[in-house]
Amino acid sequence: DAKTTQPPSMDCAEGRAANLPCNHSTISGNEYVYWYRQIHSQGPQYIIHGLKNNETNEMASLIITEDRKSSTLILPHATLRDTAVYYCIVSFTGTASKLTFGTGTRLQVTL
Amino acid sequence: DTAVSQTPKYLVTQMGNDKSIKCEQNLGHDTMYWYKQDSKKFLKIMFSYNNKELIINETVPNRFSPKSPDKAHLNLHINSLELGDSAVYFCASSHGDGSEPDDTQYFGPGTRLTVL
Repeated sequence: DAKTTQPPSMDCAEGRAANLPCNHSTISGNEYVYWYRQIHSQGPQYIIHGLKNNETNEMASLIITEDRKSSTLILPHATLRDTAVYYCIVSFTGTASKLTFGTGTRLQVTL
Repeated sequence: DTAVSQTPKYLVTQMGNDKSIKCEQNLGHDTMYWYKQDSKKFLKIMFSYNNKELIINETVPNRFSPKSPDKAHLNLHINSLELGDSAVYFCASSHGDGSEPDDTQYFGPGTRLTVL
């Protein structure tokens, strides 16, 4: 698996954009970048995924650098309910299965 | 109406016992998964089943045996429980067989297993 590196924690004021970085410098050509989050005591929740183009859905935007060695998840208007651990995952098979979650980034949204 | 449900939510048991965790999904998905989240919060896949057939079997002790009576259920049976089995176990499901990148996984609420 391509390894990912994320900051252990970040803070964000409510209503502001939360930008969560992820480094994946060893990513290979067929590997996708996935983002999931885990709110305290709940199961992980899918957010978004991408290969090389930027992606946007109703939850977030994913910006992938041209060399694909890093990406940023953007929550455009963070709310208190977005407080969670955010996982950046690279799937070594290029598929959605066999996801291995690291330690992630704990995002704390504050008033 | 819960999409992926697990029972029990908490399970406390003695070493050496045999226990089962049940998982059910009402999404009509073809593939189900079991993950283990250890005390350091690493979450790693253990098994996946597609239409009642095992397709992923990571390196887990053979004391762990998944059982799929139908494609809506994937139960996890654990024999001879050990202290190191204490963890949170998550069930998940996806529409396809996981071979496509768009095959999003939906997770259950987790079962916290404590072995004394």
